[in-house]
Amino acid sequence: AQSVTQPDIHITVSEGASLELRCNYSYGATPYLFWYVQSPGQGLQLLLKYFSGDTLVQGIKGFEAEFKRSQSSFNLRKPSVHWSDAAEYFCAVGAANAGKSTFGDGTTLTVKP
Amino acid sequence: DTAVSQTPKYLVTQMGNDKSIKCEQNLGHDTMYWYKQDSKKFLKIMFSYNNKELIINETVPNRFSPKSPDKAHLNLHINSLELGDSAVYFCASRAPGQGASGYTFGSGTRLTVV
Repeated sequence: AQSVTQPDIHITVSEGASLELRCNYSYGATPYLFWYVQSPGQGLQLLLKYFSGDTLVQGIKGFEAEFKRSQSSFNLRKPSVHWSDAAEYFCAVGAANAGKSTFGDGTTLTVKP
Repeated sequence: DTAVSQTPKYLVTQMGNDKSIKCEQNLGHDTMYWYKQDSKKFLKIMFSYNNKELIINETVPNRFSPKSPDKAHLNLHINSLELGDSAVYFCASRAPGQGASGYTFGSGTRLTVV
């Protein structure tokens, strides 16, 4: 069975500071990994994805994530956070073809001025 | 043009009523999903259809019935609504055979049962 753990329920950072959101996964095969962002009252938007190749992937809005198989992790990073980054962030692990993605419980990011 | 559109955006209804939520995608995707997001923002898959065929049916009360008239549409009908059904329901789609493509989500339907 696939599962995702996001250890941090809520993170607060100052604008301009760096950010790292943690994600650990459990999956029986090579995982498909995703990060999504959900702004208040909106649907989820795909930030970036990983399924093979370079373990450091770049996404939209200046985000990147690094896949570490040995640690079963896929942490999301951003070097300098903007106030508009305040949102809910979800990590997900997915199956190939038409299978489902399983989402973590989310991390709420608050950005202090 | 909205890629995945859901209607209505808000739905307030009384317990015991029957309601439907509609979803349409114009991306040409073969696979569509319904997810439920509860008040703690936890996302749980409910159903998935691939080219009009039901392929995922998680543990969901049989008061919930999905229908896919064609691969661009996936509707959700809920009978005998209960207070616990209050949540945000998201429709999503994904390209065929593309496990790595990620989902495209609709903007959600906030259902409130009173």
